[in-house]
Order: sequence, then C-alpha cells, then structure tokens
Amino acid sequence: AQSVTQLDSQVPVFEEAPVELRCNYSSSVSVYLFWYVQYPNQGLQLLLKYLSGSTLVKGINGFEAEFNKSQTSFHLRKPSVHISDTAEYFCAVSSDRGTDKLIFGTGTRLQVFP
Amino acid sequence: DTAVSQTPKYLVTQMGNDKSIKCEQNLGHDTMYWYKQDSKKFLKIMFSYNNKELIINETVPNRFSPKSPDKAHLNLHINSLELGDSAVYFCASSRPGGGGYTFGSGTRLTVV
Repeated sequence: AQSVTQLDSQVPVFEEAPVELRCNYSSSVSVYLFWYVQYPNQGLQLLLKYLSGSTLVKGINGFEAEFNKSQTSFHLRKPSVHISDTAEYFCAVSSDRGTDKLIFGTGTRLQVFP
Repeated sequence: DTAVSQTPKYLVTQMGNDKSIKCEQNLGHDTMYWYKQDSKKFLKIMFSYNNKELIINETVPNRFSPKSPDKAHLNLHINSLELGDSAVYFCASSRPGGGGYTFGSGTRLTVV
C-alpha cells in the first residue's frame, strides 16, 4: 500500500518569490508520482508526473518537481510565483501499473500575495 | 471535446432522496474511478472499475452503488441520501503505463 504526506497545509508567499511545496511518500513497490492543482471551484488539473527516467520533471505553468528515491520525496517548486498560482495543490502516488488507485495527500493551499 | 465529463455539475437534494451522477470518458481508457472530496478538500477513492468489472470498493456504505454499462461509462447511484454525503464527487479514468489519471470537473452534491 502507498501513502502520501504533505506536511504544509498552507503556504503563504509573495508574488515573484520562489516556492517549494513538500511531498513525501511511502510504498513497498515502485511508484508513479503526480502533482495536481485545483483552482477554486474547479476540477483537478495535472501539473506534472514522474513515471521513470530523469528525476527532474518539468510541468505546466513553470512548475517542476524532483523525485528523490532515497528520501522518498517529490517536492514541487516554482522559481517565481504569480497571483494566479493561488490554488490547492495535491501530491499523489500510485503503483507503477498505472491502473491502481491514485492516493492523494491532504493538499497544500498556496496563497500568493501581491 | 471533454475527455471525462460528469453530469450534473451541481446537485441539491433533500435527505432521504435517491440520486445518480453520470460519468463518461472518450479517452479509450479501460479503468474508471469515483473519488469523494470532503469539505476539508481530502480526496478519497470510492470505487474503481476495469472493463466494466468492479476492482476496488473502499469501505463505502452500500447506499452507494456504482454501475458501468460499458467501459466508457461509470455512473454512481446513491440511495437514502444523508447530510454527510454532501461533497464533491470526481470521476476519473486511466490507462496502463501511468499516462495519467484524467479527472472530470466534479459534481457538487449538497444534501439539505
């Protein structure tokens, strides 16, 4: 079984500052890792995913994440945030079959201030 | 064309009623899911179907009954609705190889 921990429930940051949203996972099998974003009153949009290969993954909207197997982490980063990045961010894990359930962390609310 | 579409988007109903939410995907995926997002934004798997067959049923009350008439559709029927069923319900689909899980836009269910 897999599990995901997002330690920060809220991250406030000023516009144009860098941000890191932390995600740690546990699993007894190989995993796929995902970050999803949910804007207010909207559905879930895939930001990026790690399946295999390069541990640095680039996604949409200038976000990137690094898979660190030894630390079982998949932190999300952006060098300069915009007001429009204000949203809920979810880290998620599945087994590497791709058709098993996706397990979500509890989410991190990113609030960008002007 | 919407990849995963759910209807209705909003649903307000009284306690004790029975309601259904429909989901359709045009991605050719074999596996479909229902997730529940509670008021604290926590997302939890409810059901998973693969090629019309139930493969995951996560301790959901039996008032909830999924139905998959074909691999492109997964509907959710809820009997005797309770206040605690108020949530946003997301449908999703996926394919082998981790190409991604695609989510619908959600159905906000409010039980009054």
